[in-house]
Amino acid sequence: AQTVTQSQPEMSVQEAETVTLSCTYDTSESDYYLFWYKQPPSRQMILVIRQEAYKQQNATENRFSVNFQKAAKSFSLKISDSQLGDAAMYFCAYRGYGNKLVFGAGTILRVKS
Amino acid sequence: DSGVTQTPKHLITATGQRVTLRCSPRSGDLSVYWYQQSLDQGLQFLIQYYNGEERAKGNILERFSAQQFPDLHSELNLSSLELGDSALYFCASSVGSRGGVDTEAFFGQGTRLTVV
Repeated sequence: AQTVTQSQPEMSVQEAETVTLSCTYDTSESDYYLFWYKQPPSRQMILVIRQEAYKQQNATENRFSVNFQKAAKSFSLKISDSQLGDAAMYFCAYRGYGNKLVFGAGTILRVKS
Repeated sequence: DSGVTQTPKHLITATGQRVTLRCSPRSGDLSVYWYQQSLDQGLQFLIQYYNGEERAKGNILERFSAQQFPDLHSELNLSSLELGDSALYFCASSVGSRGGVDTEAFFGQGTRLTVV
């Protein structure tokens, strides 16, 4: 079975600085997607960014980018120019052939002004 | 707005009771997923439907059941409720795929269930 591990329960970043959230996963599948979801205090689950496993190029969405290392099964999220509104719980998620989303335990991101 | 609608937003009920949570997926999405998020915990996959058929089951209790109707909306039924069933229940939808891997899933705002 696929597993997703987020080893950082909490992270802090100063406003306008850059922070990287870590995620590793375990799978024997060759085709899959990886995602980062944001859950603010409202508890809404918001898709931040996605990465297709067969694409070597790292995905980017404005201030959010990923570092996808397929051989190492690593998928980190970099947030540049952090803003107060970025404070939330961030979940890394995997989707393979079974098509269910497998989530990591989450990382709480705190942004200091 | 993700396009996924869940009702009700909040539900308070007593132990032993039965409730039904409803989910309308995004227009065109064939797959529906249900997740449970207890306080300060991650998301636990419960069950998945694709075009009316059950596709996968996760950690869903026997007291819980779900279905997806011909119009593609889905309902999650929770019965003989216990205090420990208090949680945020999410529905998510995606385009769906017969074979291959589906793309991103979009989440509803969740139903917050409180069992007292």
